[in-house]
Amino acid sequence: AQSVTQLGSHVSVSEGALVLLRCNYSSSVPPYLFWYVQYPNQGLQLLLKYTTGATLVKGINGFEAEFKKSETSFHLTKPSAHMSDAAEYFCAVLGNNRKLIWGLGTSLAVNP
Amino acid sequence: EAGVAQSPRYKIIEKRQSVAFWCNPISGHATLYWYQQILGQGPKLLIQFQNNGVVDDSQLPKDRFSAERLKGVDSTLKIQPAKLEDSAVYLCASSSQRGAPSYNEQFFGPGTRLTVL
Repeated sequence: AQSVTQLGSHVSVSEGALVLLRCNYSSSVPPYLFWYVQYPNQGLQLLLKYTTGATLVKGINGFEAEFKKSETSFHLTKPSAHMSDAAEYFCAVLGNNRKLIWGLGTSLAVNP
Repeated sequence: EAGVAQSPRYKIIEKRQSVAFWCNPISGHATLYWYQQILGQGPKLLIQFQNNGVVDDSQLPKDRFSAERLKGVDSTLKIQPAKLEDSAVYLCASSSQRGAPSYNEQFFGPGTRLTVL
């Protein structure tokens, strides 16, 4: 069965610092992987996705993620954090039954 | 294009009362999802519709929750009677049937925050 683990429920960075949000998955088939962002009092918005092809995926707002099969990871990064990046971030994998399997989320705080 | 619309945005009720949420998906999207998101957790799929038919309702507590999508467009989710543990954000999402069948991006509405006292 597929599963998603997000390491660190809370991450705090300074404005301008590197953002690294960790996601590990388990899947018996080649995974489709996603990162969603949820701003306060808003719904979920797709940041980026990996389906096939290039393992380094670029998304919106300067975020990117790299699919590493050997490490079963799909970590999300951004070189320089902005105050507006403060939000909840969810990693998800598409399950065998085509349902999204979600991590528990990581809350990102950006300090001035 | 207009996004997924949900109403109300917030609702406070007492336990044992009833409540209903409404969702209007993106025009033309055949698939509609209702999720429950409890604070500190990821979304949990409650029910998935394909047009006006139910594809998956395996995690819907059918003794108190019901959902319908009669005309294959908008949908309502009802809780009757509500319990304290139903306090959560209820998210609606929709997706189209275009593209690879194994992946259809889901577009989410803003959610309805339910507080049960």
